Amino acid sequence: EAGVTQFPSHSVIEKGQTVTLRCDPISGHDNLYWYRRVMGKEIKFLLHFVKESKQDESGMPNNRFLAERTGGTYSTLKVQPAELEDSGVYFCASSQRETGGGTIYFGEGSWLTVV
Amino acid sequence: KQEVTQIPAALSVPEGENLVLNCSFTDSAIYNLQWFRQDPGKGLTSLLLIQSSQREQTSGRLNASLDKSSGRSTLYIAASQPGDSATYLCAVRNLGSNTGKLIFGQGTTLQVKP
Repeated sequence: EAGVTQFPSHSVIEKGQTVTLRCDPISGHDNLYWYRRVMGKEIKFLLHFVKESKQDESGMPNNRFLAERTGGTYSTLKVQPAELEDSGVYFCASSQRETGGGTIYFGEGSWLTVV
Repeated sequence: KQEVTQIPAALSVPEGENLVLNCSFTDSAIYNLQWFRQDPGKGLTSLLLIQSSQREQTSGRLNASLDKSSGRSTLYIAASQPGDSATYLCAVRNLGSNTGKLIFGQGTTLQVKP
């Protein structure tokens, strides 16, 4: 069974450009999460989807970040326009239907560098 | 506000040694606690999940304990091997939250020397 997959694995863009990160959760997982780790900081929650609905987006830093999960399958996270402080690793994770109780599985991350 | 702390930030031990990694959290009202491993340039691999009603979980050479009342968890690694070298992260999920939001510590980077 495939794990959580993310694309691209690495991206280097200029300040002001747009980047779209994609996540494919484990098949059958209704819960999908985005996290990120910026240099020197701990991993922080961005948002949580249950199927196609945003359950919690309290961690989204500002309105330059837009997450979607059309159809409740894969998700995209768009950063527009990108700023230098957006550099970091963006992790996607998923878990089965029941929230709060099960293991959360992480992808390998999308490493974003804004120059 | 829940805060998770991991001490030490880095640890270097000789192969074969038993070791303990520490994780503390400020709010004991948690749903569960999860330990992860991260290899350089890679994603997070789940090691152990402890529900708030449990005291410990074991997987192979790994044993994780949870003392919710004191806000502490430990990850015990027996007979360490060079392949155990990685960053170990703990994360908690708060009670009362209807989301799967995890709050992470900064991690302990472990080096096991041959």
